[in-house]
Amino acid sequence: AQSVTQPDIHITVSEGASLELRCNYSYGATPYLFWYVQSPGQGLQLLLKYFSGDTLVQGIKGFEAEFKRSQSSFNLRKPSVHWSDAAEYFCAVGEWTNAGKSTFGDGTTLTVKP
Amino acid sequence: DTGVSQDPRHKITKRGQNVTFRCDPISEHNRLYWYRQTLGQGPEFLTYFQNEAQLEKSRLLSDRFSAERPKGSFSTLEIQRTEQGDSAMYLCASSGTANSPLHFGNGTRLTVT
Repeated sequence: AQSVTQPDIHITVSEGASLELRCNYSYGATPYLFWYVQSPGQGLQLLLKYFSGDTLVQGIKGFEAEFKRSQSSFNLRKPSVHWSDAAEYFCAVGEWTNAGKSTFGDGTTLTVKP
Repeated sequence: DTGVSQDPRHKITKRGQNVTFRCDPISEHNRLYWYRQTLGQGPEFLTYFQNEAQLEKSRLLSDRFSAERPKGSFSTLEIQRTEQGDSAMYLCASSGTANSPLHFGNGTRLTVT
């Protein structure tokens, strides 16, 4: 069975500092990997996705993520965090035949200090 | 692209009552998913439709839960005889193809008292 682990429940960074959110997954085949962001009381918005090819993927809002097969990781990064980035971030792995049937991690809450 | 819409946004009900939620996906998307999210956790897959066919249901979906998508457009999720453990955010999402990411609605928050 597939699984996703986000080791950090809560991260606090200063505005303008760099950010890395960790994600480890378990899946028996080549995974579809996603990062979503959720603001309070809202649905999830896709930040970026990895299906195949280049292991460094660019997303919206200046985010990027790197797929490392040997480490089963898909960490999210941003070089300079803005106050509006404060939200909850979810990593997900989708099934190969049905990417929408995804298993999500429990999320990392990002707080941005002024 | 008007996005995925869900109605109602909030529902408070008493234990034992039935509730029904509606989801309108992005019009050109033929795949529709229901997820449940409880506080402090990520969304959990409940069920999905391709057009009007319900192709998969999670073991999380007890017999009290039923979902329909009668004409392959909007979908409804009904919970019968609600229990306090049903309190959660119910998220609907749609996608266009098998390898497309999900487009989520803003969810329906259910509180069972």
